[in-house]
Amino acid sequence: QQQVKQSPQSLIVQKGGISIINCAYENTAFDYFPWYQQFPGKGPALLIAIRPDVSEKKEGRFTISFNKSAKQFSLHIMDSQPGDSATYFCAASASNTGKLIFGQGTTLQVKP
Amino acid sequence: ETGVTQTPRHLVMGMTNKKSLKCEQHLGHNAMYWYKQSAKKPLELMFVYSLEERVENNSVPSRFSPECPNSSHLFLHLHTLQPEDSALYLCASSQVVSYGYTFGSGTRLTVV
Repeated sequence: QQQVKQSPQSLIVQKGGISIINCAYENTAFDYFPWYQQFPGKGPALLIAIRPDVSEKKEGRFTISFNKSAKQFSLHIMDSQPGDSATYFCAASASNTGKLIFGQGTTLQVKP
Repeated sequence: ETGVTQTPRHLVMGMTNKKSLKCEQHLGHNAMYWYKQSAKKPLELMFVYSLEERVENNSVPSRFSPECPNSSHLFLHLHTLQPEDSALYLCASSQVVSYGYTFGSGTRLTVV
């Protein structure tokens, strides 16, 4: 029940295209859903996060869509650029548990 | 730098060695974490410290021993490790347990 399942494992998108990464969870106590971006040789960096009281959050080219009833959330990267090539992790946590549970990661490659 | 500094960046150690990983955060956060990142696996939470008190030990073998002398510093003491312990060890901090993690760049550990 603590798992967060992420798909696809890898993704190749042409420059200018839309990249979509999906995550699903089981634990209904989760109330915080961040996405992290990781470049080689670096630690994950917080990209965008959402709480279950909203269905969508947008920051620049990055959008989180959240479906509480389906227990799913997704990251959309609009106008994908080669500089977006990285590994993306979804995660989830419940208030004050001290546990941020990560998905397995998606390696995104944006081709010029 | 993200405000969380980890040293060393790379470490090679024999199975009988004793070594320590160091993490320092300059963000004024109250919680610190150790995560293990292995290839093709989700980030695994190892330990959580909140206000210098360990609040989570995620069934980690005793050959890993954390220490948090103050809210800015976190150590991971290693002894008699196994080759399967080779991984990227990431430190993170947050203002409040569970939310808004800032990660360091990690220590790449190789056990030979």
